[in-house]
Amino acid sequence: QQQVKQSPQSLIVQKGGISIINCAYENTAFDYFPWYQQFPGKGPALLIAIRPDVSEKKEGRFTISFNKSAKQFSLHIMDSQPGDSATYFCAASWTYNTDKLIFGTGTRLQVFP
Amino acid sequence: DAGVIQSPRHEVTEMGQEVTLRCKPISGHNSLFWYRQTMMRGLELLIYFNNNVPIDDSGMPEDRFSAKMPNASFSTLKIQPSEPRDSAVYFCASRASGRGAGELFFGEGSRLTVL
Repeated sequence: QQQVKQSPQSLIVQKGGISIINCAYENTAFDYFPWYQQFPGKGPALLIAIRPDVSEKKEGRFTISFNKSAKQFSLHIMDSQPGDSATYFCAASWTYNTDKLIFGTGTRLQVFP
Repeated sequence: DAGVIQSPRHEVTEMGQEVTLRCKPISGHNSLFWYRQTMMRGLELLIYFNNNVPIDDSGMPEDRFSAKMPNASFSTLKIQPSEPRDSAVYFCASRASGRGAGELFFGEGSRLTVL
């Protein structure tokens, strides 16, 4: 119940295309859903986050869509660029134990020119 | 700000040897986390500290692993004795007081290879 399932494992997109990464969870107590971006040889870095009181959050070319009833959330990268090539992790946590982030297994995104 | 600083960046050692990984969190951050990353298991939380006190070490694989935080600016993760299955990238992350759980700042990691 504490898992966050992420798909696909890898994704290849052409420059200018839309990249979509999906995550699903079981624990309805989760109330914070961040996405992390990791470049090779670097640590993960917070990209964007959402709480379940909104269905969508957009920051530049990055958008999180959240479906509370389906217990799913996704990351959309519009106009994907080669510089977006990285591994993306979704994660979840809950207010009463905010120190524990449960990470998805990661999606390796490659954007080709 | 210098960010979270980890050392060494790479460590190659032989089975049975002691390994010590070091972390300097961002100044002013009061929570510190140790994660391990492998292809098979992804990112796993090993242990975390609040105000230098270990809060939850349930992710520590076994007694061969230990972690300390003697002060607010330094933490160590020790493996003794090391085994080949410990080969992984170990990340340290810190978080400021009052910030949400998601706002972790990660170091660049220590890549450990145990032969």
